[in-house]
Amino acid sequence: DSGVTQTPKHLITATGQRVTLRCSPRSGDLSVYWYQQSLDQGLQFLIQYYNGEERAKGNILERFSAQQFPDLHSELNLSSLELGDSALYFCASSVGTVTSRGGEQFFGPGTRLTVL
Amino acid sequence: GQNIDQPTEMTATEGAIVQINCTYQTSGFNGLFWYQQHAGEAPTFLSYNVLDGLEEKGRFSSFLSRSKGYSYLLLKELQMKDSASYLCAVSHNYGQNFVFGPGTRLSVLP
Repeated sequence: DSGVTQTPKHLITATGQRVTLRCSPRSGDLSVYWYQQSLDQGLQFLIQYYNGEERAKGNILERFSAQQFPDLHSELNLSSLELGDSALYFCASSVGTVTSRGGEQFFGPGTRLTVL
Repeated sequence: GQNIDQPTEMTATEGAIVQINCTYQTSGFNGLFWYQQHAGEAPTFLSYNVLDGLEEKGRFSSFLSRSKGYSYLLLKELQMKDSASYLCAVSHNYGQNFVFGPGTRLSVLP
């Protein structure tokens, strides 16, 4: 158990809908990262927050948004869902940023999103 | 941008030693991480290299050469449970500052 929690574990929805994925980092970790992993692709970095502020942005679609709250939990919002958005979404946390030894990331169990 | 290459698949025998290579091209290099990911599960951290040389941690070791843009993960005394994907990830100090490679799927055979 990494100490990172994600809810829900599974989500099934229809095209055009909007969903929210939630992540609670390990106690004491200030950074939260979001990743997307499709069957035929590796881990795609979406976005990072550090202590409530956006720190880095990857290949995140405009239909997707995220935020980190004062208690450091984070939410990833996916809207106007398409079939291709079906994937495993991971949240990870770290003490510091990836630019330091404290940057090793601890991953949550993931949310499996299925868009029908 | 960054480009990270790893072999797609490798096969080895239980008890043997296997070396998984990773080559990368990036600017502002800040460190290289190795993660293990079993099918359907979350990645777990294995090692971190920021300076040239070998870092040893039990049966796993990781090597880095910054001048060559090259790293490898060495797994000794292979066990069946080591069958998994091994992901190399590079950290750099601008923009999208953390990029995972495509991963190497290792199969350990009896």
